[in-house]
Amino acid sequence: SQQGEEDPQALSIQEGENATMNCSYKTSINNLQWYRQNSGRGLVHLILIRSNEREKHSGRLRVTLDTSKKSSSLLITASRAADTASYFCATAGYSTLTFGKGTMLLVSP
Amino acid sequence: DAGVIQSPRHEVTEMGQEVTLRCKPISGHDYLFWYRQTMMRGLELLIYFNNNVPIDDSGMPEDRFSAKMPNASFSTLKIQPSEPRDSAVYFCASSFTGTGDYGYTFGSGTRLTVV
Repeated sequence: SQQGEEDPQALSIQEGENATMNCSYKTSINNLQWYRQNSGRGLVHLILIRSNEREKHSGRLRVTLDTSKKSSSLLITASRAADTASYFCATAGYSTLTFGKGTMLLVSP
Repeated sequence: DAGVIQSPRHEVTEMGQEVTLRCKPISGHDYLFWYRQTMMRGLELLIYFNNNVPIDDSGMPEDRFSAKMPNASFSTLKIQPSEPRDSAVYFCASSFTGTGDYGYTFGSGTRLTVV
């Protein structure tokens, strides 16, 4: 399976701190994406990084991809209470996305 | 566009009853996906359609589950008969491509409780 596995399962930080989440996967990918899910809501697409890219930025988000290690990381800088959510990585193989089980991020004021 | 619209938001039903979940994808998206989310198994892909045609239903857990997409703007997921282990949140998502080159757009989900 190409399913990504996020690490840690849960992360608790203070506002203003940076949050780093990691994702590992098993087979070659077309692209890797990160999604956010607020409690009781659907997933929201945050950022996509293609297999030939190593780093990508979007606002306070920074994503890295190391295809040799089959791993990715999502960094959220200067976190806010509103960033509290679950974060999922999703790997794209030949046809569809496969999601990991997510990291629950709690940002305390 | 109002996004992917799912109905109902919540469904409580008795074991053995038929349940129908509905989804309206984003106009212009050629792909539609049905996912199921549980604490134990995370997000599982049940089935997906391309241009209204079912492509891969290998994730459908049993024959009790069926899905249709009669046109580009509507899809249903039916469970008949329902069982308590079907309790989960069911998401519909749509996209321009299968690999989500521009991301998947998810609906708000249907929380199904089978008692």
